[in-house]
Amino acid sequence: EAGVVQSPRYKIIEKKQPVAFWCNPISGHNTLYWYRQNLGQGPELLIRYENEEAVDDSQLPKDRFSAERLKGVDSTLKIQPAELGDSAVYLCASMSWGSNEQFFGPGTRLTVL
Amino acid sequence: QQQVKQSPQSLIVQKGGISIINCAYENTAFDYFPWYQQFPGKGPALLIAIRPDVSEKKEGRFTISFNKSAKQFSLHIMDSQPGDSATYFCAASKRSGNTPLVFGKGTRLSVIA
Repeated sequence: EAGVVQSPRYKIIEKKQPVAFWCNPISGHNTLYWYRQNLGQGPELLIRYENEEAVDDSQLPKDRFSAERLKGVDSTLKIQPAELGDSAVYLCASMSWGSNEQFFGPGTRLTVL
Repeated sequence: QQQVKQSPQSLIVQKGGISIINCAYENTAFDYFPWYQQFPGKGPALLIAIRPDVSEKKEGRFTISFNKSAKQFSLHIMDSQPGDSATYFCAASKRSGNTPLVFGKGTRLSVIA
């Protein structure tokens, strides 16, 4: 079984530029999470999807961050414009309904210069 | 507000020794307590998890001890090996509703020969 796939793995951009991250969850997993992990910290939730519906986006900085999960499968997280403080690893995780185990992708390491 | 506090921040253990990492939580609604292991460049992976109806759970060399009254839980790694060197995160969530994990800040474990 393939795990959670994320791309790109690394991204370096100048501040004020836009950037997008892509996630393909494990097949059949209805729940999808985007977390941000700052250096030396634990992951922190940005947004949670149940199928195509965003059910928890209270921690998403909506002035510059947006996300979508069309058709309830793949998801894209976008930042526009990026700021220096956005440098972090962006992790995608998925989970099947009723389970408690979240499966994480390898993450996208973003560096904003 | 940090809902899950983890200590120590870093830990060095001799090969064959016991590694102990502690966590404390604040939200009494939490009823699922996993430990995740993360290697550099990888996403977190579930190691072992416990629910509050038991005080201890053991899987191989890994044991979770849970103290509901103190709102604390800990990870014990017996016979620690160099391959166990990684960052360990405790987390907590509610089992129902696919709620997101709240992570501790992590413990960097180094097992030296």
